[in-house]
Amino acid sequence: AQSVTQPDIHITVSEGASLELRCNYSYGATPYLFWYVQSPGQGLQLLLKYFSGDTLVQGIKGFEAEFKRSQSSFNLRKPSVHWSDAAEYFCAVGARAAGNKLTFGGGTRVLVKP
Amino acid sequence: GAVVSQHPSRVICKSGTSVKIECRSLDFQATTMFWYRQFPKKSLMLMATSNEGSKATYEQGVEKDKFLINHASLTLSTLTVTSAHPEDSSFYICSASPGLAGARDTQYFGPGTRLTVL
Repeated sequence: AQSVTQPDIHITVSEGASLELRCNYSYGATPYLFWYVQSPGQGLQLLLKYFSGDTLVQGIKGFEAEFKRSQSSFNLRKPSVHWSDAAEYFCAVGARAAGNKLTFGGGTRVLVKP
Repeated sequence: GAVVSQHPSRVICKSGTSVKIECRSLDFQATTMFWYRQFPKKSLMLMATSNEGSKATYEQGVEKDKFLINHASLTLSTLTVTSAHPEDSSFYICSASPGLAGARDTQYFGPGTRLTVL
């Protein structure tokens, strides 16, 4: 069975500072990995995804993530945070063998200080 | 591209009534649609997976007779909460996967529907 862990429930970061959100997964084969962002009362927006190939993935809004197979991790980073980045971030794992169902982590809420 | 809409965005109903939520893929054909439920400050819980023209597959613990899912076309899926009760109050989110190779493994999410049962 797939599982996803986001160790940090809340993260507070100053505007302009760098941000890193952690994600660890458990799955027997190479999974598909996703990061989504959710603003309050809204649906989820896809930030980036990893299927195969280059392990450093670029996404929208200046985000990137790195797949590290040896650590079963897919951490999300942004070099300089903007106030509009305050939101809930979800890491998710899927696999074609699982019917492309997604298993979500618990989410990390990011607060941005001025 | 890859826009998914939901209607309504918010609904309040009385206990015992049924509520229908629509999920539409606006600019692509979705061979597969998913329905999730999200509790306050919690992650998403997959309720069911639906493929166009076939019966939905429900996750363990989800009552198929309470949450009726119909995926009648490649752009529309509906979730009907039958005989709703206050414990059904939640945020319901749908997602859709395009049918094209290379994109079918990605889910695009709708904006969600807030259901409140009085």
